[in-house]
Amino acid sequence: DIQMTQSPSSVSASVGDRVTITCRASQGISNWLAWYQQKPGSAPKLLIFGSSNLQSGVPSRFSGSGSGTDFTLTISSLQPEDFATYYCQQANSLPPTFGGGTKVEIK
Amino acid sequence: EVQLLQSGGGLVQPGGSLRLSCAVSGFSFDTYGMSWVRQAPGKGLEWVSNMDGSGVNTNYADSVKGRFTISRDKSKNTLYLEMSSLRAEDTATYYCAKESTTKTNYYGMDAWGQGTTVTVSS
Repeated sequence: DIQMTQSPSSVSASVGDRVTITCRASQGISNWLAWYQQKPGSAPKLLIFGSSNLQSGVPSRFSGSGSGTDFTLTISSLQPEDFATYYCQQANSLPPTFGGGTKVEIK
Repeated sequence: EVQLLQSGGGLVQPGGSLRLSCAVSGFSFDTYGMSWVRQAPGKGLEWVSNMDGSGVNTNYADSVKGRFTISRDKSKNTLYLEMSSLRAEDTATYYCAKESTTKTNYYGMDAWGQGTTVTVSS
């Protein structure tokens, strides 16, 4: 199975900050990567697919980059509604696997 | 509008069975794959099973293989997850999700059910 390692596991940030979350795959996955946002008590929400493509309706302050084994999710200017947990997920090979999550908390 | 409405969770004893349902609307099963993803209390996301748009190809996580079965009823626009020989470690919130993949691109799980809780305990 491909292991997805996210870092950091948590980050404290203020409104307006730039936040960067990284995800590393244990082997190359091309650009078969998605990012999700999950708030407590709610289902995950797709933010980014194909490593860098913004899902319809997602604010442009979210962006994704990377290919192969190293990927990044960036929030350019953190907003109050962005405090949540973020997960990366690979779909290059079975089984699909998720990173352990990064909790973005209020500083 | 795409909607996924889940039902069927609950409390079950170890070794018991349960069937989860995911009623979909706003899209065709033929065009999209469907996945089940679970989340144990306080933990991260774990993929459980998926089915492609043809309904022919299914896959399972090793942790549930031989115990869980994914299926669908196109006439009812409903996806199912039949769970048997349930264990305490199957306790989780289960989500169904619509997924889009082509041979060359991955479009992610772009719509999710609201989740249903399964508790395996005596």
